Amino acid sequence: DAKTTQPPSMDCAEGRAANLPCNHSTISGNEYVYWYRQIHSQGPQYIIHGLKNNETNEMASLIITEDRKSSTLILPHATLRDTAVYYCIVIYDYKLSFGAGTTVTVRA
Amino acid sequence: DADVTQTPRNRITKTGKRIMLECSQTKGHDRMYWYRQDPGLGLRLIYYSFDVKDINKGEISDGYSVSRQAQAKFSLSLESAIPNQTALYFCATSDPGQIAGISQETQYFGPGTRLLVL
Repeated sequence: DAKTTQPPSMDCAEGRAANLPCNHSTISGNEYVYWYRQIHSQGPQYIIHGLKNNETNEMASLIITEDRKSSTLILPHATLRDTAVYYCIVIYDYKLSFGAGTTVTVRA
Repeated sequence: DADVTQTPRNRITKTGKRIMLECSQTKGHDRMYWYRQDPGLGLRLIYYSFDVKDINKGEISDGYSVSRQAQAKFSLSLESAIPNQTALYFCATSDPGQIAGISQETQYFGPGTRLLVL
């Protein structure tokens, strides 16, 4: 029961912004959009989350469309260490569901 | 996240052996979780605990048991290990909250335990 759709992979040049799209057309009003990433079998790392408004922290920015049916994670200046699988998740309470994610490869 | 630690980081065991994976956290969170990840697949929830006296089965609890010894410690046991339990195991913690009446919860994961059952 996939709640989000992400492209399977994308490349990004080092130093450039990486824009990762996510579709969540069936999101309900009490579900947050969360982004995690997993670097080569390490534990998933929380990046950012949001409900309606755009959010920014030290790692990334999250842009959520007005209808909340899609969002974009922005890594402003990608580095080689940002190479990872990025997961977009919609969640209410604790029920995390990690799909296939987007494999992001940052190239020098 | 260094606030969530798992031991051991790697373990090789034989079929039929009982093993324990341990998780400790210094985040002061009440909620703790155990997940497993198989190659190319997402994480699946094994057990979760909302406080010391609360233990709940996740989607794949058969063959596993847990113990919540304290707020900071949550152990996962494989009663009689079998090869298809070979996987990456992750512990996570969270501290749920609400904003404007809507629940939100960020889970923080440990570094994982790589388990091989021969």
